[in-house]
Amino acid sequence: DTAVSQTPKYLVTQMGNDKSIKCEQNLGHDTMYWYKQDSKKFLKIMFSYNNKELIINETVPNRFSPKSPDKAHLNLHINSLELGDSAVYFCASSDISGGGGSSGYTFGSGTRLTVV
Amino acid sequence: AQSVTQLGSHVSVSEGALVLLRCNYSSSVPPYLFWYVQYPNQGLQLLLKYTSAATLVKGINGFEAEFKKSETSFHLTKPSAHMSDAAEYFCAVSDTLDFGNEKLTFGTGTRLTIIP
Repeated sequence: DTAVSQTPKYLVTQMGNDKSIKCEQNLGHDTMYWYKQDSKKFLKIMFSYNNKELIINETVPNRFSPKSPDKAHLNLHINSLELGDSAVYFCASSDISGGGGSSGYTFGSGTRLTVV
Repeated sequence: AQSVTQLGSHVSVSEGALVLLRCNYSSSVPPYLFWYVQYPNQGLQLLLKYTSAATLVKGINGFEAEFKKSETSFHLTKPSAHMSDAAEYFCAVSDTLDFGNEKLTFGTGTRLTIIP
């Protein structure tokens, strides 16, 4: 069983389109995240949710809207896609029980978004 | 604000030689530190983590890292490189203890190449 699964794995779309990426974790973790990895491999947090509640919104354009229907799912919807949105998007989850997320983060395998 | 600096975007070592990947961090509070590995077209896998317990941390695949507060470093080592170690390695820091308000700040990554 995949711990953190993302769909789709690859997404190619035209500028101006709206697309969604889905993420599910079966680890029972309380917190889920979206990270963006750019073409230079730099990883940066976008959002975090704790028990369906938005905690971190890291100055991401409001074209990006995360949604967490329950604590096992965190989806990312992107409106009016731009060329600069091309990147690999990683979902992650962490178990913060015991303080501080010290168990580390479990990442999904990523969604490679290409905007043409 | 927290930050991570990884010295050397590319490191090449011969098979069987020592692997040393450097990471220095900046954090206003005692940090949690992590090393992740990313194989081509895959997600990030946790190698090891430091969470204020033992300063020498052992991880998977024979890797270990030592937390040195005086040097603000968390370098990753492996005594003998194997061809399967070729990958991208990321150092990351998390310095908040607030539940759900955590985020990993990543370094820019080091690509490790193993020379047969």
